[in-house]
Amino acid sequence: SQQGEEDPQALSIQEGENATMNCSYKTSINNLQWYRQNSGRGLVHLILIRSNEREKHSGRLRVTLDTSKKSSSLLITASRAADTASYFCATDEMGNMLTFGGGTRLMVKP
Amino acid sequence: DTAVSQTPKYLVTQMGNDKSIKCEQNLGHDTMYWYKQDSKKFLKIMFSYNNKELIINETVPNRFSPKSPDKAHLNLHINSLELGDSAVYFCASSQDFAQETQYFGPGTRLLVL
Repeated sequence: SQQGEEDPQALSIQEGENATMNCSYKTSINNLQWYRQNSGRGLVHLILIRSNEREKHSGRLRVTLDTSKKSSSLLITASRAADTASYFCATDEMGNMLTFGGGTRLMVKP
Repeated sequence: DTAVSQTPKYLVTQMGNDKSIKCEQNLGHDTMYWYKQDSKKFLKIMFSYNNKELIINETVPNRFSPKSPDKAHLNLHINSLELGDSAVYFCASSQDFAQETQYFGPGTRLLVL
């Protein structure tokens, strides 16, 4: 069953703006991952943050993790039209398998 | 070089038919997975194999039977297809079992008429 929940479900912004997506989960985790899915494609791993980390950066991506609130956020700075995709968080809260949320559909308008 | 490949990419078939989807990874990974993504984009794990051994078998009808002839391949056979089986099926692999980064195939879009 789906445990993680992304918020918002859909987000539309202009090119150059920042996009923030949030993910909440229910139980304890060892790590949390973010994936991107372009339309008609498979998921691509973006970043993994471990439970003892609070923030991680990768290029224009910034991920935060607040284990006390059981939530994570993904920030994409200076967005581009090519960032248009669905973004999913995934946790290992169900034990030995990844559990994905329903995703945030991001549209970046040129 | 395609890391995780699936065939076919599209599959349109009649209810009641039997079909197979093939998956191959050339990453040298030990673990492979099958996921089902429904029309609302929810991604749900179906099976996981580690070194050809079944590790995870979520609540999936026994009409679905995975087969792993070797570490690099995990095929999915579906018997007696039903309308509700229409979805996108993704194969994925990871170096070790679960938790760590998974690499996904491009998906197989199955439409059951």
